[in-house]
Amino acid sequence: GEDVEQSLFLSVREGDSSVINCTYTDSSSTYLYWYKQEPGAGLQLLTYIFSNMDMKQDQRLTVLLNKKDKHLSLRIADTQTGDSAIYFCAEILNQAGTALIFGKGTTLSVSS
Amino acid sequence: GAVVSQHPSWVICKSGTSVKIECRSLDFQATTMFWYRQFPKQSLMLMATSNEGSKATYEQGVEKDKFLINHASLTLSTLTVTSAHPEDSSFYICSARDLSSGGTGELFFGEGSRLTVL
Repeated sequence: GEDVEQSLFLSVREGDSSVINCTYTDSSSTYLYWYKQEPGAGLQLLTYIFSNMDMKQDQRLTVLLNKKDKHLSLRIADTQTGDSAIYFCAEILNQAGTALIFGKGTTLSVSS
Repeated sequence: GAVVSQHPSWVICKSGTSVKIECRSLDFQATTMFWYRQFPKQSLMLMATSNEGSKATYEQGVEKDKFLINHASLTLSTLTVTSAHPEDSSFYICSARDLSSGGTGELFFGEGSRLTVL
């Protein structure tokens, strides 16, 4: 079955880089996503990566995908206090209306 | 960009009452919407897939008679928590796919509806 695993907590200092890791089990995943959830709010799509890519960069965000190990990471450069939130990785199996399967989320705490 | 809106954002009700939560896709049509439930500090749990014009598909362990889902139009799905009890208190989030988003499969999420049952 499908399962997405993440570490639960990460604490960094402002200005440092943050790396949030995720492993997934379904090798047929076509897209992998990173969502951000601020307290009491819904989810905001941060970025996504297609399974035939191994890296995607978007401003301060870098996504690395190791398909062989089924490992996905999100690196946030120059982390700011406003980046404090819960980060979820998620996978989608196909484009036929299948819902996303989420990890439990990593709580990122940024101290000044 | 695509927007999904939920209403109400927060509702408090007495035990035994029924509560309806609406999910609307504001600038796109969604034949399929998804309802998630999130417990405090936990991940999202998919409850059901809402299909326009047909019955919803419920995930294992989700009571169909408890959580009534209606997808009456291409822009509106509703979740009704019937005879709510305190254990139903949770954050309910809906999402929908914009099939015109270039095939990325991106899901857009509503802001969530917080249900508190007293």
